Amino acid sequence: EDKVVQSPLSLVVHEGDTVTLNCSYEVTNFRSLLWYKQEKKAPTFLFMLTSSGIEKKSGRLSSILDKKELFSILNITATQTGDSAVYLCALRTGTASKLTFGTGTRLQVTL
Amino acid sequence: NAGVTQTPKFQVLKTGQSMTLQCAQDMNHNSMYWYRQDPGMGLRLIYYSASEGTTDKGEVPNGYNVSRLNKREFSLRLESAAPSQTSVYFCASSPQGAGINQPQHFGDGTRLSIL
Repeated sequence: EDKVVQSPLSLVVHEGDTVTLNCSYEVTNFRSLLWYKQEKKAPTFLFMLTSSGIEKKSGRLSSILDKKELFSILNITATQTGDSAVYLCALRTGTASKLTFGTGTRLQVTL
Repeated sequence: NAGVTQTPKFQVLKTGQSMTLQCAQDMNHNSMYWYRQDPGMGLRLIYYSASEGTTDKGEVPNGYNVSRLNKREFSLRLESAAPSQTSVYFCASSPQGAGINQPQHFGDGTRLSIL
């Protein structure tokens, strides 16, 4: 059975801090690992990672995948209150491209 | 710029009632998915449709049925609602095909309460 574990479950930081969110997995037929941000409604896509060691970057957010050790990290530098959200990690497997989600990390950024 | 549209946004049902959740996408995607999200559980796949005319069970299909009405629309039906089906339901879509590896795009969800 495919398994995705995120840590920590929740995190409170001060604005300006740097945070690292973790995602480890055990899946068969790996195709890609995705990160989503969920505020009040729909999860919104952040990154898709398919190859080890290649960092994806978008502004203050970056992510990297290690397919040997079966984990990914999502880094957010100089956090802002607008970064407060649940961050979801998902594994895409098989030809039907189904997603298996972790339970998410709830990040709260305070002033 | 609609993307994935779900209706209704909120619904309260009594145990035993039936209901259909509607989902439509305007991105010409082949694949569509239904998830439920419960506190502490993440999103779990209920059913998916890899292409028009096909549907398959996901992780938690019991108590649900689906219909892929056409390429745009994918509905989820609760035939006899139970309190355990109280949840937030998300529809998603993605392109699908040989060599295509693209993210899923989500609707805003339907918050369903069953009393």
